[in-house]
Amino acid sequence: NAGVTQTPKFQVLKTGQSMTLQCAQDMNHNSMYWYRQDPGMGLRLIYYSASEGTTDKGEVPNGYNVSRLNKREFSLRLESAAPSQTSVYFCASSFDRGLMNYGYTFGSGTRLTVV
Amino acid sequence: AQTVTQSQPEMSVQEAETVTLSCTYDTSESDYYLFWYKQPPSRQMILVIRQEAYKQQNATENRFSVNFQKAAKSFSLKISDSQLGDAAMYFCAHGSGTYKYIFGTGTRLKVLA
Repeated sequence: NAGVTQTPKFQVLKTGQSMTLQCAQDMNHNSMYWYRQDPGMGLRLIYYSASEGTTDKGEVPNGYNVSRLNKREFSLRLESAAPSQTSVYFCASSFDRGLMNYGYTFGSGTRLTVV
Repeated sequence: AQTVTQSQPEMSVQEAETVTLSCTYDTSESDYYLFWYKQPPSRQMILVIRQEAYKQQNATENRFSVNFQKAAKSFSLKISDSQLGDAAMYFCAHGSGTYKYIFGTGTRLKVLA
């Protein structure tokens, strides 16, 4: 089925370990995003990529890096995981034409626990 | 900066009844979009409805409709004939030409049989 695929779905890390969350979309969307969801705080933007080859910081970028590998793939890396990064992470994509904005399609999320 | 406020952390509704979820926002943009997303226990985020700010007509999608009051910066979601499958977290979101969405903190909707 067409959509946004995130891997892994669950992950437990020890403090200081590194990992990469993978995201791929097959809808030919130009924009991709990484959000984190914490209880009582909604979804907060970590990084986004408006097009292949470009990335920009969102609201909470500290401790994260991203790579827009090609139009389909957008990965999120935690270089040295901290307990404060325990969260649910969502990748999303959208097709945007000028000022037209059609809504995000989300992946199924990754529940990350840092101990 | 844009902000989105959902002042109702939790709401309950009887099956087959109607419920309205509130959302207010603040923005400096003249062209923008507003969205409601549903997050059931499966965790998947599902787009429920989308409103273009330049359109005065309120968006509707089957049992879901919005009351968009642009001057008051209010964007409420009405769910008619509530069903058990409507139980979920609902997030209001604001999006503009920069494509970055700002989400509210969510309202948990319980549907009582």
